[in-house]
Amino acid sequence: SQKIEQNSEALNIQEGKTATLTCNYTNYSPAYLQWYRQDPGRGPVFLLLIRENEKEKRKERLKVTFDTTLKQSLFHITASQPADSATYLCALASEGSQGNLIFGKGTKLSVKP
Amino acid sequence: GAGVSQSPSNKVTEKGKDVELRCDPISGHTALYWYRQSLGQGLEFLIYFQGNSAPDKSGLPSDRFSAERTGGSVSTLTIQRTQQEDSAVYLCASKFGALSDSYTFGSGTRLTVV
Repeated sequence: SQKIEQNSEALNIQEGKTATLTCNYTNYSPAYLQWYRQDPGRGPVFLLLIRENEKEKRKERLKVTFDTTLKQSLFHITASQPADSATYLCALASEGSQGNLIFGKGTKLSVKP
Repeated sequence: GAGVSQSPSNKVTEKGKDVELRCDPISGHTALYWYRQSLGQGLEFLIYFQGNSAPDKSGLPSDRFSAERTGGSVSTLTIQRTQQEDSAVYLCASKFGALSDSYTFGSGTRLTVV
């Protein structure tokens, strides 16, 4: 069966460190993968998109990698800050899916001062 | 409007009652999605509208759930004869029609069935 797994339900790190979140998938051939941030009581907000033919994408302190051989995406936040505390969701769309996203359950990141 | 608007933000209803949840997408966005998010769970796809095409209803959990989108804009999700297991946050998202476009979500409607 098709699965998207975000390996950690929760991740606690110290301010200034790099947070690394993992998204693994099985039985999908994703055309692209997206990462979203969700704060309590709010809807998810788009952060980054990476396509199947791209290895890495960066945006300010954020970096996403995509390894279609390992079937894995890694999401990094460098120089983390308490304001980065939120739940991060990965989502993917398969070819032929008309761009409909399937979401992982998310990883709750807490950055301690 | 500037974002996706959902109403009401909170709804408490008695078991067995019908509820209607509203979503007002971003103007010009042709695709509209409904998802459900239960405590500690991921986003569960419910239904998808694209332009004038027939909606993809494959995620609706039972025939008590229905949705419509009038004039290619506002959408209403209706739950008939609500059950306690329907309690969740219902999220609406819209996007332009291109495949890889990102979703813009509303803040959701928190439904509590008592």
